[in-house]
Amino acid sequence: EPEVTQTPSHQVTQMGQEVILRCVPISNHLYFYWYRQILGQKVEFLVSFYNNEISEKSEIFDDQFSVERPDGSNFTLKIRSTKLEDSAMYFCATAGTGFLYEQYFGPGTRLTVT
Amino acid sequence: DAKTTQPPSMDCAEGRAANLPCNHSTISGNEYVYWYRQIHSQGPQYIIHGLKNNETNEMASLIITEDRKSSTLILPHATLRDTAVYYCIVRPERRGGAQKLVFGQGTRLTINP
Repeated sequence: EPEVTQTPSHQVTQMGQEVILRCVPISNHLYFYWYRQILGQKVEFLVSFYNNEISEKSEIFDDQFSVERPDGSNFTLKIRSTKLEDSAMYFCATAGTGFLYEQYFGPGTRLTVT
Repeated sequence: DAKTTQPPSMDCAEGRAANLPCNHSTISGNEYVYWYRQIHSQGPQYIIHGLKNNETNEMASLIITEDRKSSTLILPHATLRDTAVYYCIVRPERRGGAQKLVFGQGTRLTINP
C-alpha cells in the first residue's frame, strides 16, 4: 500500500537555526498539508498546498514558515528561525484528486528545539 | 465548521465491539462526518467517512442518525492494536482546492485483554 514518508524522523536544532522538514507524497496525490502536534496537545493544521500555491494557512503559519515543492515530488516545510515553542511532531499529509478525498498522513518528524 | 463532542476516554474488552459516539448537533447539510485515529504518536490514520447513509469498510462501520446530529463508529471485534485516540471530524464539502482537517481532543480508546 502506498504511503507518505517523512525525513528526518527526529531533528534536534538550536534556537534561531533554520530547519527543513521533508515529505514524499503518495504518487499522483495533488493536495498537500502540514500539521503539527505539540506533546500532549491536539493535532493542529498549519498549511495546505495545491497547484503549487498555498490554499489555506493557519495563524500559526507566520512569516517564519514556508512550504514548497522544489522538484515536483518532495514537499518541504521550512522554519527560518526556530523557537523553543516550535518543538513538536510535524505531520505531512497528502490527498488524491477530488475535494473530499481522505488525507493520508506520514509518520511525522519530531522537532526538538533547544 | 460544525463542532464535535466526544467522550474523553473509553474502555473495551478485546474481541468485543467498540462503539464510539460523537455528537455533532450543529452539522449542516453539506458537511461530512470523518473518523481518524492516532495510535500512540504516529500520524493520524483515516478510518471512514459518511454523509447520511451508514457506511462500512474493512476497518469499521459508521452509523449516522437520521437527523445527522450524532454518529457512532463501530469497531466490530476490537483488538489490542485498536488502542488509540479516535477523532470524529466534521468537514464541509468545498469544491476546488485542499480542505483541512480540524482535530479535537478525540476519545482515547483502550482495549483491555
